[in-house]
Amino acid sequence: KNQVEQSPQSLIILEGKNCTLQCNYTVSPFSNLRWYKQDTGRGPVSLTIMTFSENTKSNGRYTATLDADTKQSSLHITASQLSDSASYICVVSDQTGANNLFFGTGTRLTVIP
Amino acid sequence: KAGVTQTPRYLIKTRGQQVTLSCSPISGHRSVSWYQQTPGQGLQFLFEYFSETQRNKGNFPGRFSGRQFSNSRSEMNVSTLELGDSALYLCASSLAATGELFFGEGSRLTVL
Repeated sequence: KNQVEQSPQSLIILEGKNCTLQCNYTVSPFSNLRWYKQDTGRGPVSLTIMTFSENTKSNGRYTATLDADTKQSSLHITASQLSDSASYICVVSDQTGANNLFFGTGTRLTVIP
Repeated sequence: KAGVTQTPRYLIKTRGQQVTLSCSPISGHRSVSWYQQTPGQGLQFLFEYFSETQRNKGNFPGRFSGRQFSNSRSEMNVSTLELGDSALYLCASSLAATGELFFGEGSRLTVL
């Protein structure tokens, strides 16, 4: 069964600290993996998209890694800011003609001063 | 370039009523997909339209339907509303099937 699991469910960190969010998936055949940031009450915004051949991609203070062999991805946030408080959602796409997307339930990050 | 626009942003309905939500994609985007988001379930795929044709459908009852117009604008309809339909309904547009999704701000539906 195609699944995407994220951990932790929630996380509280101090402003300025780094953190890492995890995403494990069983989706096959794999096409790409996306990380989205969703502020409360807003729509998700894309942070990164990675294909099979990419193992690292950065977007400012956000760095995503992908290990296609172990089917794991992580999102590392450096020098966190209060504005990083949001839900982070991992989405995996398969290679079938239907281009199915499989969503994780997200990690809720709270950055406190 | 204008983003994805969803209307209305908030609405309250009672059980048994029906509701229609609207989504205007980014100009030039022909793919529009709809998602339901609830605190317990996360984002769940409803359906996707491309050039007025439904290409993919999620596992939702027939009360949930949608359509896409020739200008790529899309609507989704939920009939005979149930309390469990209370959720944030998100629309996303993309250039291609495997492309980046651009989400709207969502329509928050409350069913009383």
